[in-house]
Amino acid sequence: ETGVTQSPTHLIKTRGQQVTLRCSSQSGHNTVSWYQQALGQGPQFIFQYYREEENGRGNFPPRFSGLQFPNYSSELNVNALELDDSALYLCASSTGLAGSFYEQYFGPGTRLTVT
Amino acid sequence: KQEVTQIPAALSVPEGENLVLNCSFTDSAIYNLQWFRQDPGKGLTSLLLIQSSQREQTSGRLNASLDKSSGRSTLYIAASQPGDSATYLCAVRTNNNDMRFGAGTRLTVKP
Repeated sequence: ETGVTQSPTHLIKTRGQQVTLRCSSQSGHNTVSWYQQALGQGPQFIFQYYREEENGRGNFPPRFSGLQFPNYSSELNVNALELDDSALYLCASSTGLAGSFYEQYFGPGTRLTVT
Repeated sequence: KQEVTQIPAALSVPEGENLVLNCSFTDSAIYNLQWFRQDPGKGLTSLLLIQSSQREQTSGRLNASLDKSSGRSTLYIAASQPGDSATYLCAVRTNNNDMRFGAGTRLTVKP
């Protein structure tokens, strides 16, 4: 079991609303990445934060935004929720410069349902 | 653009059998390749990480190989057990901040 935690575990929102998901990185890790995993598919990279700055982004619109705090915990914010945003959202932490050579450790995920 | 494919999509085997899961990727310029296990509705558990300079990694009954030039990796599971039932995902890191995943192989090991 990794030291990465996520909250909440499950969340139900209505289309058009906004949501904030939280992630607490493993101790000593300064890089966090967020992924979206639709049912039956592999995770898709949303973005990565390294020392509180965005350090790469996947093919997701600007309504997906994030923050990383000095203690390396992180938030994923999604505005104007759409039905297709329903998915498991995973965060992963690692150490080193942008985590390129280092193993990523994943949290248990937040299951978001948009109705 | 890096594409990762996993074959087969699903696999069912009797307990005790040795098995191989396949992962292929289109761009050989990778930093590393990682195999994960995912139980239904849960997060990912890292199984093995192979750096681009390595050919294989072993952990217990698991052995993963990497052939960068052909864009392939295999995960070998020896003496499978019902507790091995899960979805197995491979992922490649192609630059400093992007990890591309396959869709996974759903493994069922029957007692």
